[in-house]
This record gives sequence, structure tokens and C-alpha cells, in this order.
Amino acid sequence: AQSVAQPEDQVNVAEGNPLTVKCTYSVSGNPYLFWYVQYPNRGLQFLLKYITGDNLVKGSYGFEAEFNKSQTSFHLKKPSALVSDSALYFCAVRAYGGSQGNLIFGKGTKLSVKP
Amino acid sequence: DADVTQTPRNRITKTGKRIMLECSQTKGHDRMYWYRQDPGLGLRLIYYSFDVKDINKGEISDGYSVSRQAQAKFSLSLESAIPNQTALYFCATGGKQGNEQFFGPGTRLTVL
Repeated sequence: AQSVAQPEDQVNVAEGNPLTVKCTYSVSGNPYLFWYVQYPNRGLQFLLKYITGDNLVKGSYGFEAEFNKSQTSFHLKKPSALVSDSALYFCAVRAYGGSQGNLIFGKGTKLSVKP
Repeated sequence: DADVTQTPRNRITKTGKRIMLECSQTKGHDRMYWYRQDPGLGLRLIYYSFDVKDINKGEISDGYSVSRQAQAKFSLSLESAIPNQTALYFCATGGKQGNEQFFGPGTRLTVL
């Protein structure tokens, strides 16, 4: 079955420290992977995606993600966290088969950055 | 994203009532989606449409129906609302050939 797992419900970091939000996936073909962020009372905003090419993908707001095919992971990272990064983060993978093109979302990870 | 609008933004209704949530997009995309978000469950796909004449059930379509009135408009209906349909509902567009989806601001629905 195609799926996305975000093993941490919440990640807590201090402002200025590096952050990592974890994501692993399972798909039946080459993975197209996405990260979205949701601020309170807002819709989801696209951060970055991996389709092919360089395993390190750079996105909005200083975020980047590293694709690791052998570990089937796509972890979101930022070298120095800001309090304003506090939000809900979703990893997603493109589905294959009959629902090709649809996204399968993880359950989300709440990031809390403390001053 | 102002390119995808949803109405209403908030709605409180009673069990058994019929509710329609509307979505419009100005991005010119063929594909549109309806999701619901529940705490701890992430986003789950209700229905999706790859063009005006193509509508498909998603993961959790029971109790819902949709209408694709035009390329830019995709509405979600709850024929007889029940309390466990209380959730945050999102419309999205895009997603063709690996492209990202763009989300509306959401509709918070409460069924009493």
C-alpha cells in the first residue's frame, strides 16, 4: 500500500537551533515528494518538492529537504529555526495507479520553536 | 492562497441539514480536490475531479457528493449532515504531472 509516515506528532526546538521533521514513504514507483506547512487558521502552503535530480532540495523560508532512496525518507530541515516557523508540517507523496496524481498525506508534525 | 477561494469560511449547522461548500479557482487548472482535516489524522481525500466530466471518489466519500459546475468551480455537498462530519474542509487544485497542489483557506464546519 502507498503511504506516508511522519513518526513524530510534535517536534520542539529552541530558536537558532537546527530543526528536522521526519518523513518516510512507501510508493509503487519513483517517488514525487512534497512538504507543506499550515499556519493556524490558514490553508496549506507549498514548501518544496522532490521529483528527480539532486537529493537536497531547497524551498521557501530557508527550508530544505533531503531525499534518501535507500531509507525511503524525505526529511525536512532548516539550519536555524525561527519562532515564526512554529506550525503544522505535512509530508505528501504522489500516488500511482488508478488515482495517479493524487497526493497521500502524512498525519502532520507540529513544530514548536521556543525563544 | 487567494487563487483558490472557499465559501463559507465557517458554518454551524444541525444534524440532518443539507450543506454545500463551494470552491473556486483562478489558476486555470483542470484538477480539483476536496479534503477533510481532522486532528491527528492529517488530510484525507473525499472526492477529486481531473476535468469537468471526470469525478472520482476518494478515500472517504461516504456521506458526501460533489458537483463540478465548470473548470473553475467544484462544490461539496453533505446531503444529511451528521456530527462526525465536523471538520476542517479544504479545496485544492493542480497536481498534474508531479506539480504541487494549491489549497484554499478552508471551511470550518460544525455539525451539532
